[in-house]
Order: sequence, then structure tokens, then C-alpha cells
Amino acid sequence: DGGITQSPKYLFRKEGQNVTLSCEQNLNHDAMYWYRQDPGQGLRLIYYSQIVNDFQKGDIAEGYSVSREKKESFPLTVTSAQKNPTAFYLCASSIVAGGLGWTEAFFGQGTRLTVV
Amino acid sequence: AQTVTQSQPEMSVQEAETVTLSCTYDTSESDYYLFWYKQPPSRQMILVIRQEAYKQQNATENRFSVNFQKAAKSFSLKISDSQLGDAAMYFCAYRSVMDSNYQLIWGAGTKLIIKP
Repeated sequence: DGGITQSPKYLFRKEGQNVTLSCEQNLNHDAMYWYRQDPGQGLRLIYYSQIVNDFQKGDIAEGYSVSREKKESFPLTVTSAQKNPTAFYLCASSIVAGGLGWTEAFFGQGTRLTVV
Repeated sequence: AQTVTQSQPEMSVQEAETVTLSCTYDTSESDYYLFWYKQPPSRQMILVIRQEAYKQQNATENRFSVNFQKAAKSFSLKISDSQLGDAAMYFCAYRSVMDSNYQLIWGAGTKLIIKP
């Protein structure tokens, strides 16, 4: 089945540690995104990538880093510089379509990160 | 910059009845996409319905339909014959056709409660 897989589902981080959240898609989508969701709030964009080896900062990129070495994979690293990393993280992908093609995003099941 | 506003933090409806969730947006563009996403307790974002701005006909997907008022910049979601499984957070989202970043602009969400 085609889709987006995020792992792990739950992740615990100690203060000062870096952790990496995995996101893999087999939809052959060009664009991939990382969002952060805090309780009772909408989604905020952390990073996005439209092609391999290229990515752009979103609205809240500070304290995060990403890589896009393969089309299928877009891992997110939460660094120790992120002061309040406890949140729910969602990865998404979409087709980069020109003209008026549909460009809705497909989402993974998310990773809940907790700092202990 | 575009913005999306969902003015109802929470809505409740009796099972089998109809409920309408509101969404307004601000843009100076004429071509864009609008989406409603559902986030059930599992936290995975699921696309409910989508609308192309250049189409005047309102989109419909089974029990879900939209009332798209382009001049008023309004995009409400109507859920008919509400079911217990419809209980979720509902997010309205906007995407520009011209935005080469292909980003989604999100509302803050509406929590829908279904009363049995």
C-alpha cells in the first residue's frame, strides 16, 4: 500500500539530546513537509523540500534540521537548541504539480515527542 | 500574506443531524485550492474534501459538502447525517496555485463533538 510512514510513534528525549524523527513515503511525491502541532492549535510548518538535496525553512525552523538525500525520505532532527520540543510532529508529502493539478497533502500518523 | 480563520473552536451536534463548520480566508489571488482535513483521535490528518477556486460548483463527497462563496472568501463545511465517527478536529486549509512553495496555510481548527 502506498503511504507515508513515520517512526517512532512515541519518542522520549532527555534534555540536551538530539533526536531524529523518521519519515518515509512510497507515493513518488516530490514535495515533503514537517509540521509541528501543539495542543489545541493548528499546524505550523517547520521545513519543506520540493526536490532531493534541497529544502527550505518554514515558519518555526529554529532548533530543527532536516536532510533530503533520497526522494522517499525526509528525516527531521530536533536539536538541543529547540527549547520547547514537546509536541506532536506530522510529516506530509504532495505532488509538485504545475498548472491546476491537485496538490493536496498526504500525512503520516505522526510522532509524539516528549522531553523528560 | 494569506490567512485562514476558523472562528468556532468547538461545535457539537446530535447524532444524525446536520452541522456546518465555518472557515474564512484572506487572499488577493484569484486561483487557489481550499481543503478540509479531519484529524480524529488517532491524530492522522485525513483529507475530507477539496475545492478549486475557479470552479463555481460546490464540492460534495457523500455526506460532506462545502458552501464556497468566493466573493465573501468563505468556505464552510456541511456534514449531513452526523455519525459518531465524525467526531474529530476539522482544519480548513488554503493553497495558492501561484505559490511555488506549494505550502498549505492552516486554520486553527474546530473540534466537533457528536452527541449520541
